[in-house]
Amino acid sequence: NAGVTQTPKFQVLKTGQSMTLQCAQDMNHNSMYWYRQDPGMGLRLIYYSASEGTTDKGEVPNGYNVSRLNKREFSLRLESAAPSQTSVYFCASSADRVTDTQYFGPGTRLTVL
Amino acid sequence: AQSVTQLDSQVPVFEEAPVELRCNYSSSVSVYLFWYVQYPNQGLQLLLKYLSGSTLVKGINGFEAEFNKSQTSFHLRKPSVHISDTAEYFCAVRNMNTGFQKLVFGTGTRLLVSP
Repeated sequence: NAGVTQTPKFQVLKTGQSMTLQCAQDMNHNSMYWYRQDPGMGLRLIYYSASEGTTDKGEVPNGYNVSRLNKREFSLRLESAAPSQTSVYFCASSADRVTDTQYFGPGTRLTVL
Repeated sequence: AQSVTQLDSQVPVFEEAPVELRCNYSSSVSVYLFWYVQYPNQGLQLLLKYLSGSTLVKGINGFEAEFNKSQTSFHLRKPSVHISDTAEYFCAVRNMNTGFQKLVFGTGTRLLVSP
């Protein structure tokens, strides 16, 4: 039982390049999330998926797209990376009960030059 | 909408001393409250959560928090800290009335425990 896994762990991009961050969970959770973490700003929700086949915008969706490939996998795509997207990205999942805990992956540290 | 304020960005403390990390929230509706911990270079993990019932909640690693509705606070405490408690701590709230679980996080408090 690996929990929530993310790849890659680190990535450096040049402005304008694209990339996809991968996330998978093996806990049979319905809900999955993408956050970004910036110094002094805590975690901000980018996109979430309440169930397989659905996605919705969070607080800071601009510049990102997501795909809920199946129940296990939820990917985040940067189509044209910008320096403002330099951040640490976390994927999380939870069962869909109201009070359930969110389980976080180890994060991807992304630098855009 | 909800918001969470963690006024202390950093709290230095000596090993075996007590510590309190402060969290205040703002919400027009009832909320659930959470504390998460992030150890260096890791993801977040749940320390404890308040859903209902007793306002004193006990979590993992000897931490506890007390919900105070009148002061809209959910401060985290530990009577005696260890070096291994050095980490960043995040308070979070979730609107009790919405149909989907979205957490709103505070900006975090870095706890620095020294010998």
